[in-house]
Amino acid sequence: DTGVSQDPRHKITKRGQNVTFRCDPISEHNRLYWYRQTLGQGPEFLTYFQNEAQLEKSRLLSDRFSAERPKGSFSTLEIQRTEQGDSAMYLCASSLTRMESQYFGPGTRLTVT
Amino acid sequence: AQSVTQLDSQVPVFEEAPVELRCNYSSSVSVYLFWYVQYPNQGLQLLLKYLSGSTLVESINGFEAEFNKSQTSFHLRKPSVHISDTAEYFCAVSDRNNAGNMLTFGGGTRLMVKP
Repeated sequence: DTGVSQDPRHKITKRGQNVTFRCDPISEHNRLYWYRQTLGQGPEFLTYFQNEAQLEKSRLLSDRFSAERPKGSFSTLEIQRTEQGDSAMYLCASSLTRMESQYFGPGTRLTVT
Repeated sequence: AQSVTQLDSQVPVFEEAPVELRCNYSSSVSVYLFWYVQYPNQGLQLLLKYLSGSTLVESINGFEAEFNKSQTSFHLRKPSVHISDTAEYFCAVSDRNNAGNMLTFGGGTRLMVKP
């Protein structure tokens, strides 16, 4: 097992375009988390899944943000109509249970021009 | 809701010197406490965590942190740092009673170890 993977590692897009990021958690981890990290700040929680169920999404930054985990394995985070303020590192983490530690992926760096 | 304050954004220190990275939190509920480390161009890695029991927790690479409930602190210490400890360190908390266990992070402290 190579840990949490994220794709792409870098994404440059023009304002107004839609982008989608993928996260593959550690196999058998049923919890999956998305965070956003802006320059000079700590990560900020966005949403999380237990298996395929999205149990917390009130922290998603706007209705332009959505996430899915259709089969309880990989997850996607989509940002519609991107804005320059969306430029950040988007981090994915997974854990086996609530009490287990969260393991983070390398992140996807989004730049909106 | 919780918040985490890391009082120092940067800490320069010479190799083999001791270091303390400060972390204070605010919460209306009981929390779990974590330190994560981010080496240059790498993802976040868990360094150590406090869930319950002994208030002093240690990592495998010589760091330790002590949970002080009265001062709502979880400072990270190492008696002798190495060049390889240069990284960004993040303190985080999560609500013990929240099933989601989402993490609330501080702003990070950049540890710069000089030869």
